[in-house]
Amino acid sequence: GAVVSQHPSRVICKSGTSVKIECRSLDFQATTMFWYRQFPKQSLMLMATSNEGSKATYEQGVEKDKFLINHASLTLSTLTVASAHPEDSSFYICSAAGGGSTDTQYFGPGTRLTVL
Amino acid sequence: QKEVEQNSGPLSVPEGAIASLNCTYSDRGSQSFFWYRQYSGKSPELIMFIYSNGDKEDGRFTAQLNKASQYVSLLIRDSQPSDSATYLCAVNGGGGYNKLIFGAGTRLAVHP
Repeated sequence: GAVVSQHPSRVICKSGTSVKIECRSLDFQATTMFWYRQFPKQSLMLMATSNEGSKATYEQGVEKDKFLINHASLTLSTLTVASAHPEDSSFYICSAAGGGSTDTQYFGPGTRLTVL
Repeated sequence: QKEVEQNSGPLSVPEGAIASLNCTYSDRGSQSFFWYRQYSGKSPELIMFIYSNGDKEDGRFTAQLNKASQYVSLLIRDSQPSDSATYLCAVNGGGGYNKLIFGAGTRLAVHP
């Protein structure tokens, strides 16, 4: 149980393109979903927290107009990187909480974004 | 600011030995503690969580929690080369959204 999927697993795009990443909880209802970013050899950085039907809460320094989060249902959250630039190239990982223990986060497999 | 501290390593242990990974946290009010494993280029996967003082065992893994000293540890018995990864300690940061505060991780290398 507690499986989280992410799509796509890898994206290569040109600068200026908007990229949408989907995160789904497959076998449980996720009350909260989280979006992280991880640069090579660095630790996880929380970008935002979202609850179904509510506006996302962004961490300090994360531009909400650039990283658009929609949490449409208890099983789906999307992150859209608007007008991506090379510095946005990173490993984006979502997690979901709500299966079994309410504060245990289960991670998706991640999306590697490369902006040329 | 709430912090979670881990030794970055690498911690090198021979195959079959016990690997001991440690983590300290700053928020005395923390209630939930997690260990995740992350292989290079992959996302974190949950190993186990612990809420109460003492030991919690799951297969070759034992989590140990001491709230008075504000540390949590993970023991891996009979370490295997496949255990070589970065181990992330995470602590519930409180608030309404169950945000986790992650340590930077300890890199474990198990050599044959």
